[in-house]
Order: sequence, then structure tokens, then C-alpha cells
Amino acid sequence: EVQLVESGGGLVQPGGSLRLSCSASGFTFSSYAMHWVRQAPGKGLEYVSAISSNGGSTYYADSVKGRFTISRDNSKNTLYLQMSSLRAEDTAVYYCVKGNSGSYDYWGQGTLVTVSS
Amino acid sequence: QSALTQPASVSGSPGQSITISCTGTSSDVGGYKYVSWYQHHPGKAPQLMIYEVSNRPSGVSNRFSGSKSGNTASLTISGLQAEDEADYYCSSYTSSSTYVFGTGTKVTVL
Repeated sequence: EVQLVESGGGLVQPGGSLRLSCSASGFTFSSYAMHWVRQAPGKGLEYVSAISSNGGSTYYADSVKGRFTISRDNSKNTLYLQMSSLRAEDTAVYYCVKGNSGSYDYWGQGTLVTVSS
Repeated sequence: QSALTQPASVSGSPGQSITISCTGTSSDVGGYKYVSWYQHHPGKAPQLMIYEVSNRPSGVSNRFSGSKSGNTASLTISGLQAEDEADYYCSSYTSSSTYVFGTGTKVTVL
């Protein structure tokens, strides 16, 4: 059974930093691209970032480019999202998502990030 | 990257069919086969319903079907059931090598 478990969310002040982690199990982690998707309160889903299976290629939405860094450790089956220079508009539930055939076939339950003073 | 355009809400009676549209551009929906659809019940993780325009993952009811014409993709739910009441999002690969979601559609079963 595929499982994706996010951690690291919480309350952070504007301008602060936070690192999210996603522990994956139930599939060959090193064979798949992985993504982060977020949903702000009362808003729709928003693509945040993606990383290729070997970590060699990374992609970002314009809204987070230069502030967020995606990475992965295939030896630990773990995906990361390092977030810095956080803004109030980054407040959202962040989902760790497994990629497959240009879609997101498995989602974690999400972790809430709140940026507020 | 601008969000794909979906109707804010669609409703139907049990047993009816409804269709949700998803309009983009030739740089996303119109240019690639990687269009997918997601069902999202608030408080739960989204679920993949359709991938590559019209393919259903194992375990998804055949009442859900997808299609695409030009820059517009569509999701049809036939034989509408109470459990289908949820938010639905489309997504597409883009020419920037990223992905973009639709604005979301709230489906109400009357």
C-alpha cells in the first residue's frame, strides 16, 4: 500500500523558514517524480514544485521560485521542501504527491503551514 | 502560469449526467495528453479520477469519463450519486515543464 506522510508544518513568522518532509513507502520511491501541491484556506489546489526521480531536475511555480527548494533522499525514501522568506500568502495545507504518467496518483494527508506574526 | 478555467459550480439530480469543462491554452491543455482530473472531499486527500485525458485508474467508477477538444478538456459524471458531491479539479502539464491546476468546480447533488 502506497503511503505518503508529511511532517514539519506549523506556525512561522513572516520572513521565516520551515522544512517539510515526506516519508514514502509502498512503492519504489527512486523510480518516480515527486511533487508538492498546496491549498490555501478557502482556495483551490496550486502546483508548488516537482523533482525528477533521480533528483537531477527540479521545477517550481513562479510564486515560490527563488524562495523554496525541493530535494529528495532516495536512500531514505524521503522528499523535502525547504521554504524560506515565507509570506502570509504561503499559508496552506501542503500535500506530498507521487507523480505518474503526467498525473498525481497518490497524495499524502497534508501538513498545515501557517505564516503569521 | 494562469490557472485553467473551470465553472465555479455544477449541479444535478441523482441519476443525471453532468459535465465539467476545463479551458486552457495551446501551451497546456491543448498541447499535451497529460490532462488529469481530481475529486476532493474537504478535509481528505484529493483522489485521481482521470489521467492522460481519458484513462481511469483502477478502482475508479466507469461513471467517470474524460475527453478533450482543442484547448478544453471535460469530465463527465454519469448516473450522478450523492457520494459524487465534492470539489473537482483539472490539471495539465505545461510548456514550462510545470503543471497547472484548474480553478475548481463544486459539484452539488440536488
